Amino acid sequence: NAGVMQNPRHLVRRRGQEARLRCSPMKGHSHVYWYRQLPEEGLKFMVYLQKENIIDESGMPKERFSAEFPKEGPSILRIQQVVRGDSAAYFCASSPRADNEKLFFGSGTQLSVL
Amino acid sequence: GDSVTQMEGPVTLSEEAFLTINCTYTATGYPSLFWYVQYPGEGLQLLLKATKADDKGSNKGFEATYRKETTSFHLEKGSVQVSDSAVYFCALRPSGNTGKLIFGQGTTLQVKP
Repeated sequence: NAGVMQNPRHLVRRRGQEARLRCSPMKGHSHVYWYRQLPEEGLKFMVYLQKENIIDESGMPKERFSAEFPKEGPSILRIQQVVRGDSAAYFCASSPRADNEKLFFGSGTQLSVL
Repeated sequence: GDSVTQMEGPVTLSEEAFLTINCTYTATGYPSLFWYVQYPGEGLQLLLKATKADDKGSNKGFEATYRKETTSFHLEKGSVQVSDSAVYFCALRPSGNTGKLIFGQGTTLQVKP
């Protein structure tokens, strides 16, 4: 009964590099959400995906950020050409249904941009 | 737009003290309300929830009542323990929506023996 698994736990990148964050939802969960937590702030919604589909990306920055949830494998949040302002904790959550009120969160990936 | 406002922390209490963390919200319609807790180094865990006005959510000695007239969902516990030290997040799910939650900024609770 593994929970939501995120890796890596810590990721260090230099400005201009790419960051790839992975999220494996709980078994049986086909709905994945990504949230970002900036220092001293609450979590902000980024994107909601179902298998192979982006359902709601209203919280995603318009440039450099993308997300996918392929038929096989984990969900990936990709940040191209990272900048210092991208430094944050990125949390993934999953649920078994769209209308399920309880989200199961992973432990997060702490991204540090040097 | 919809929003959640929490009291600022950190909140520092002695063991067995009474806890209140204030949370107010702004939303149209009938949102569901939640308290999530984040222990050091871990992801958020659902602590309790309420889905309609006057509902009381409770878990592990924590309680919160959905007050539509004051748009509030304050978290309370009668006697805190050192193990309750964590960051507490109030959140709402807009009516008709999915897992897209709107979070408050979080309140850090430190309980000293």
